[in-house]
Amino acid sequence: EVQLVESGGGLVKPGGSLRLSCAASGFTFSNAWMTWVRQAPGKGLEWVGRIKSKAYGGTTDHAPPVKGRFIISRDDSRNTLYLQMNSLETEDTAVYHCIAGLGASEYDCWGQGTLVTVSS
Amino acid sequence: DIVMTQTPLSSPVTLGQPASISCRSSQSLVHSDGNTYLNWLQQRPGQPPRLLIYKISNRFSGVPDRFSGSGAGTDFTLKISRVEAEDVGVYYCMQATQSPQTFGPGTKVEIK
Repeated sequence: EVQLVESGGGLVKPGGSLRLSCAASGFTFSNAWMTWVRQAPGKGLEWVGRIKSKAYGGTTDHAPPVKGRFIISRDDSRNTLYLQMNSLETEDTAVYHCIAGLGASEYDCWGQGTLVTVSS
Repeated sequence: DIVMTQTPLSSPVTLGQPASISCRSSQSLVHSDGNTYLNWLQQRPGQPPRLLIYKISNRFSGVPDRFSGSGAGTDFTLKISRVEAEDVGVYYCMQATQSPQTFGPGTKVEIK
């Protein structure tokens, strides 16, 4: 069974840092393009960024609001996706979902998400 | 950035009746590789989103055939042929043609 489990969320003060992890199982993680999408409480979906598989260069792409503050990375040996979040702002408060592209699209399988709250 | 708009934003429907959601993009979603990366997602209450339709009209694995997608260029439609109780939720169109990838505001489908 394909599974994505996010962890690492919590309460952090503005200006602080947090690292989210997404543990993948049930598929060949190294072949998957992986994406982070967030959803602020009661709001819609916002793309955070994506990392391609190593076969496609392993390159990353980040949304303008997080570029320079967030870094997406992957460890294929651990089947894990990461989101390093620095200089956090209150506007970053959201549930963060990791998503795996398994062949149909980049959005084939979604994790349940982990809540990040940025507040003083 | 490509702006995605959806109409209606709220759709009260009767069980067993059809429903339709329109999605429009601010520019063409045709990629240089010839594909159109327009997806539809469903988010049931309290659940993460899930993929329904990819590349305009392809139903994802396990999605009932009462869901269908159509369109081209900048105008797209999601149709539910006969709404069932489990279809209640918010539906999002999104584009993955150009970075940054963007989502529509969502359409809330509820039962009358």
